[in-house]
Order: sequence, then C-alpha cells, then structure tokens
Amino acid sequence: EVQLVESGGGLVQPGGSLRLSCTASGFTFNIYDMNWVRQAPGKGLDWVSYISSSGSTIYYADSVKGRFTISRDNTKNSLYLQMNSLRAEDTALYYCARTPYSGSFDPWGQGTLVTVSS
Amino acid sequence: DIQMTQSPSSLSASVGDRVTITCRASQTITTYLNWYQQKPGQAPKLLIYSTSSLESGVPSRFSGSGSGTDFTLTISSLQPEDFATYYCQQSYSNHRTFGQGTKVEIK
Repeated sequence: EVQLVESGGGLVQPGGSLRLSCTASGFTFNIYDMNWVRQAPGKGLDWVSYISSSGSTIYYADSVKGRFTISRDNTKNSLYLQMNSLRAEDTALYYCARTPYSGSFDPWGQGTLVTVSS
Repeated sequence: DIQMTQSPSSLSASVGDRVTITCRASQTITTYLNWYQQKPGQAPKLLIYSTSSLESGVPSRFSGSGSGTDFTLTISSLQPEDFATYYCQQSYSNHRTFGQGTKVEIK
C-alpha cells in the first residue's frame, strides 16, 4: 500500500523552529517528486514547497521562501521541511504529497499539525 | 502567481442531481488542471488530472473539461458519498496554486 506518514508537528512560539518529516512506503520513493501542502484550520489548501526526485530542483511559495527549507533522503525514503522564523500565519495542518504525474498530488499523508502561538 | 477562482463557493444539491463546479485561472494554464475531493477530517484525494483524465478508482460520474483559463468539474448524478469540498489546482506554473474550494452540501 502506498503510504505517507508525517511527523514533527507541535506547538511552537513565534520566531521558533520546527522540522517536519514524512516517511514514505509502498512505492519507489527515489523516482518521485514530492511536495508539502498546508491547510490552515477551516481554510483551503496552500502549496508550500516542491522537490524533485533527485533533490536537484526546489521551489517555494513566496510566503515561506527564505524561512523554510525542503529536503529529502532517498536512502531513508524520507522528506523533510525545516521551518524557521515561524509566524502565527504558518499555523496549519501540513501534508506531504507525492507528484505522480502532471503536477498533481497523490497520495497525501494524514498531515501533522503545526501551531504557532505564544 | 497564477490565481485560481472557483465558483460557486458552496452549493446545495440533492442525491441524483447533476452538479457543475467552475474553476477559472488568471492566465492560461493550457490543460494543467487537477481536481481534488476532501471530506471532513480527511486528506484530499485526487479525482482528475490534466483537466479530464480520471484517476484510477474514481467513479465515472466524475468528469472534467476545459482548456486555457476556464475549467469545469461535473458530477453527473450526485451520490451521498460525494458531499465534500472540491478543489482545483493548476500545475502549469512551478508555483502550484489551488482554488479556494467549493463545498457541496446536502439539500
């Protein structure tokens, strides 16, 4: 079964840091591009970042560029998101999602909740 | 970034109704348009990719069409399990963007 499991979320103060992880199973991780997508409570979906299968190409949403860093370890079937200088508006459920084709996202993990609050 | 605008933001419909959701891009995205379904407390699920290609396992009552800037998702006969929020997403630009969502509720 293709599966993505996120971890690392929690409560952090404004200006703080957090590192999210996403562990993949059930597919050949190193041939797929990956993404982070977030969803603020009660709100819509917001793409955060993309990384190519080799890790050589990376993109960020303007709202997180310079603060967040996406990375992957293909030997561990894992995707990461290092989040620094966190703001209240970064509060959201963070999903990792595979890109199977055509820039789509499938599947998605169950998400890990990040809450930025003092 | 490319802005994606869905309409309506919400709709009420009955089981068996034909439902159409529209998604408009702020610039041409050719056919780089995907649709997702999200039920409360669940992660989104890919329904349609590349405007009109049905994802494996998705019922044939779902269909997509369009090109350029205007796209539609159609549910030919609404079923109880289809009550959910639907999102469009463009993959033309490296900066992916989503529509704001359309909530389909029971009438």
